[in-house]
Amino acid sequence: ETGVTQSPTHLIKTRGQQVTLRCSSQSGHNTVSWYQQALGQGPQFIFQYYREEENGRGNFPPRFSGLQFPNYSSELNVNALELDDSALYLCASSVGGRASDEQFFGPGTRLTVL
Amino acid sequence: GENVEQHPSTLSVQEGDSAVIKCTYSDSASNYFPWYKQELGKGPQLIIDIRSNVGEKKDQRIAVTLNKTAKHFSLHITETQPEDSAVYFCAASPLIQGAQKLVFGQGTRLTINP
Repeated sequence: ETGVTQSPTHLIKTRGQQVTLRCSSQSGHNTVSWYQQALGQGPQFIFQYYREEENGRGNFPPRFSGLQFPNYSSELNVNALELDDSALYLCASSVGGRASDEQFFGPGTRLTVL
Repeated sequence: GENVEQHPSTLSVQEGDSAVIKCTYSDSASNYFPWYKQELGKGPQLIIDIRSNVGEKKDQRIAVTLNKTAKHFSLHITETQPEDSAVYFCAASPLIQGAQKLVFGQGTRLTINP
């Protein structure tokens, strides 16, 4: 069974640029959630995708957007990058999208915005 | 919305002693309470979870207790070992627009001294 994978592992962008992060869910999982983890903080929920539809969103502006593909992999897109977007971006997969489903996290993508 | 407070922020114990981390939550609708361990450079790893219809759950050296009336839950690690050193996060899961949204505490950096 393959776990959650994310790419790239880290990248550096400049303010105003756009970035796309990718996540492959664990085998058999149809739900992907994205989290932002600032240094020294707990992860914060960005949004969740269930069967290719956005299924809940946290307090993040519209320049954070996402996609989920038929194979349940997912992308997180961030436009007009700001310095405060520097963080570890985590994706987590689960089955069913219900409140009590276990979420399994990937290793994250470390984004640095200069 | 849900708010999760976690204490202490740092904890240092002697190898073989017990460690206790406590969390409180605000949303009575939350019904799923996982605990994650995060090692340097890695994503959070689920170590134990508890659902709202259970008061206590144990898995070898790790146990979690839940008091729904008081809205608090705790992680107990007994017979600590050096490999237990990591950052631990509690989380609560309310429903937002039908989706599972994990709300994390601020984390506890646990250090096991040999």
